[in-house]
Amino acid sequence: EIEMTQTPLSLSVTPGQPASISCKCSQRLLRSIGEASLYWFLQKPGQPPQLLIFGVSNRFSGVPDRFSGSGSGTEFTLNISRVEAEDVGVYYCMQNMQLITFGQGTRLDIK
Amino acid sequence: DVQLVESGGGSVQSGGSLKVSCAVSGFSFSNYSINWVRQAPGKGLEWISYISATSTTIHYADSVKGRFIISRDNAKNTLFLQMNSLRVDDTAVYYCSTFDYWGQGTLVSVSS
Repeated sequence: EIEMTQTPLSLSVTPGQPASISCKCSQRLLRSIGEASLYWFLQKPGQPPQLLIFGVSNRFSGVPDRFSGSGSGTEFTLNISRVEAEDVGVYYCMQNMQLITFGQGTRLDIK
Repeated sequence: DVQLVESGGGSVQSGGSLKVSCAVSGFSFSNYSINWVRQAPGKGLEWISYISATSTTIHYADSVKGRFIISRDNAKNTLFLQMNSLRVDDTAVYYCSTFDYWGQGTLVSVSS
């Protein structure tokens, strides 16, 4: 089983400031087409998760461009260029190269 | 609009069974693989099962293998999860999801 380790587990950010979440995988992620199978989700309080990023760096429809994903191999990052109040919630990375596993989640709140 | 609506959750005693459903609309269900993901109270997300578009490929997490059965009815745009030999630690909100889209979830509560 591929293990996904997120850091930090929580962060508190002033509105307008950047934020970064790391996701490290226990195995190298790679799809046969060359696109790593790494996703990012945000679960806002009281809501189901929503897709932010697929294929490492592709924003899903309607996701603001302040969200960006990067990385390769075993290390991936979600960046928020300027945090807004609506970004509060728990962020999860996920791999689907070998079955499916989620990271443990990173809770973001506003200072 | 894409909609995934879970139903069938409820309270059951340990060792019992329950079948939850996910009714899908707004996209061509028969062309998409789909998953069940659960979330225990106050915990993170746990993937538990996957089914391909034509049901030819099915996967389970080790935590539910041999106890849960995923199935789908493409004619009725519905996904199912038959849960047998339920345990207290199966208590969770169960979501159906293509990962692009998620339902609101249905709560399954297992008591001892």
